[in-house]
Amino acid sequence: QSVLTQPPSVSGTPGQRVTISCSGSSSNIGSNFVYWYQQLPGTAPKVLIYSNNQRPSGVPDRFSGSKSGTSASLAISGLRSEDEADYYCAVWDDSLTGVVFGGGTKLTAL
Amino acid sequence: QVQLKQWGAGLLRPSETLSLTCAVYAESFKGFYWTWIRQPPGKGLEWIGEINHSGSGNSIPSLKSRVTISVDKSRKQFSLTLTSLTAADTAVYYCVRARYGDRNSRAFDYWGQGGLVTVSS
Repeated sequence: QSVLTQPPSVSGTPGQRVTISCSGSSSNIGSNFVYWYQQLPGTAPKVLIYSNNQRPSGVPDRFSGSKSGTSASLAISGLRSEDEADYYCAVWDDSLTGVVFGGGTKLTAL
Repeated sequence: QVQLKQWGAGLLRPSETLSLTCAVYAESFKGFYWTWIRQPPGKGLEWIGEINHSGSGNSIPSLKSRVTISVDKSRKQFSLTLTSLTAADTAVYYCVRARYGDRNSRAFDYWGQGGLVTVSS
């Protein structure tokens, strides 16, 4: 049971906009920056969003992050087949004094 | 260019001790948290712990009694020791660089190649 709650799976058709939610608490999302990672099959995760809503250079602007209270969301617009991957939210937890990850969401492009 | 290369035993028996080491190939070793993250087969990511160049760090409470993370800044290496292994410790283990900043932020920007550790009798 993860400290952060994500839907196990989401799907969409190419070109569609999909969102992935991440629900936490006041000790993590409510007080610290949220990060999003993309893990393509057989590879190590890659930073997609940092500090709630910032994109590293090289990440397309189709990816966006937001945070409100104790929840965060990753939105992917103009869905492409190459976006099929597992997505994880992560944040520092003040109570645990460490980083916690969401359980991960598998994105399928139908 | 930053590279992390890790090594250690891949097959261990229950009750044995896991030892992994990660070498950092980068100009700067100071100013980051050097981190271990694991991923059981088919499951999600789990942060194990971190250490900085001066040896200060944190580890996940559920593993704290079994985990030791150490650093050798002269060699730009850091290591993970996990004792009293069980099958539940079977996972791909990654060494990772974490940028840190305001509000305890941790950005995992460079990852090692990962290594599967299997605990089985």
